[in-house]
Amino acid sequence: DTAVSQTPKYLVTQMGNDKSIKCEQNLGHDTMYWYKQDSKKFLKIMFSYNNKELIINETVPNRFSPKSPDKAHLNLHINSLELGDSAVYFCASSLLRTGTQYFGPGTRLTVL
Amino acid sequence: AQSVTQLDSQVPVFEEAPVELRCNYSSSVSVYLFWYVQYPNQGLQLLLKYLSGSTLVKGINGFEAEFNKSQTSFHLRKPSVHISDTAEYFCAVSGQGAQKLVFGQGTRLTINP
Repeated sequence: DTAVSQTPKYLVTQMGNDKSIKCEQNLGHDTMYWYKQDSKKFLKIMFSYNNKELIINETVPNRFSPKSPDKAHLNLHINSLELGDSAVYFCASSLLRTGTQYFGPGTRLTVL
Repeated sequence: AQSVTQLDSQVPVFEEAPVELRCNYSSSVSVYLFWYVQYPNQGLQLLLKYLSGSTLVKGINGFEAEFNKSQTSFHLRKPSVHISDTAEYFCAVSGQGAQKLVFGQGTRLTINP
């Protein structure tokens, strides 16, 4: 199926640990994004990459580091996890400047 | 910069009744507008979008929305809802050519039998 996929779907970890979330799209898009959805369901962009180059970096702690090995993949690494990092993280992709973003199923991160 | 206000946090309706979910936006530039739906414990699915052209936009599952530039609104409507429409609905805006979506707070649509 053509889609945006994320792994893992659920991630439960202890405070202070380091974890990664992976995202892949096979839609042929050139731009990928990470969004965070908090406990009140509010969605906010974190990062965006176009052809492996960072183009959006919102005010996000530098414990969060995105990496795009190629334009079909965008990973998110989080160091020294904190309780407040608990959220659902969504990956999305689009063609540059077409405006329409397609979302993955989300990764629910719980920090204990 | 853009912002979005969804005027109702919760909307309860009876099955087969019509529904309107309200969305207002603010922007100093021309915009693209979107509605996404999130079913419980699932990702975001695109319902419909306005990029240009006709201001009445039809989407999936019988939903439609009308872009009103003078009122800076993009309200979502469905003439007859089903139990399966129970979900969270998000309005989103981006500046034309911009890369990020700015989302509203979401409206929880609850369908009662």
